[in-house]
Amino acid sequence: ETGVTQTPRHLVMGMTNKKSLKCEQHLGHNAMYWYKQSAKKPLELMFVYSLEERVENNSVPSRFSPECPNSSHLFLHLHTLQPEDSALYLCASSPMLLAKNIQYFGAGTRLSVL
Amino acid sequence: DQQVKQNSPSLSVQEGRISILNCDYTNSMFDYFLWYKKYPAEGPTFLISISSIKDKNEDGRFTVFLNKSAKHLSLHIVPSQPGDSAVYFCAASAGGSQGNLIFGKGTKLSVKP
Repeated sequence: ETGVTQTPRHLVMGMTNKKSLKCEQHLGHNAMYWYKQSAKKPLELMFVYSLEERVENNSVPSRFSPECPNSSHLFLHLHTLQPEDSALYLCASSPMLLAKNIQYFGAGTRLSVL
Repeated sequence: DQQVKQNSPSLSVQEGRISILNCDYTNSMFDYFLWYKKYPAEGPTFLISISSIKDKNEDGRFTVFLNKSAKHLSLHIVPSQPGDSAVYFCAASAGGSQGNLIFGKGTKLSVKP
């Protein structure tokens, strides 16, 4: 148990659906992250939030929309996804937004887009 | 172009022997390196890190070595145990106030009894 919980663990959606991924951290951290891990590719950073403000958006398509309502919760809203968006989506948190802060990961949401 | 490379997708080692996992990087601005371990159906968990001002960091059975001139780091596990079987990710960051980590693709370690 890392203190970072992601729901749902698995999600299957059609290309016209709208769904949301949820991440909650119980560690009192101030920074939260969304990563994407596609098959045979390294983890790719998608979004970074620090104190509920987005500080990084790594050229992610607009069909992915993050939301951070407070420092404990992070959402990733999905709409009109493509089959190539099928991947493992990982959430992480760290005490502060510093390169030397260890990031704590959730178990991820396995997303399949049909 | 990958900035952090783990060129061995898999490694098999006998229990009790040494496991050596390798990682190469291209960005000379990287100044902090981490290793994460991932079991199936779980998220990556932090294992050990090293700052660029050091060339070695040790924590129990785990030691990370950094060779800045070669832009190479390695993780040594000795003695290896079956519970060490997992995917190991190398990650690097370029310092400053950003928490951005650049990950390698991972190496799957299998420790056989």
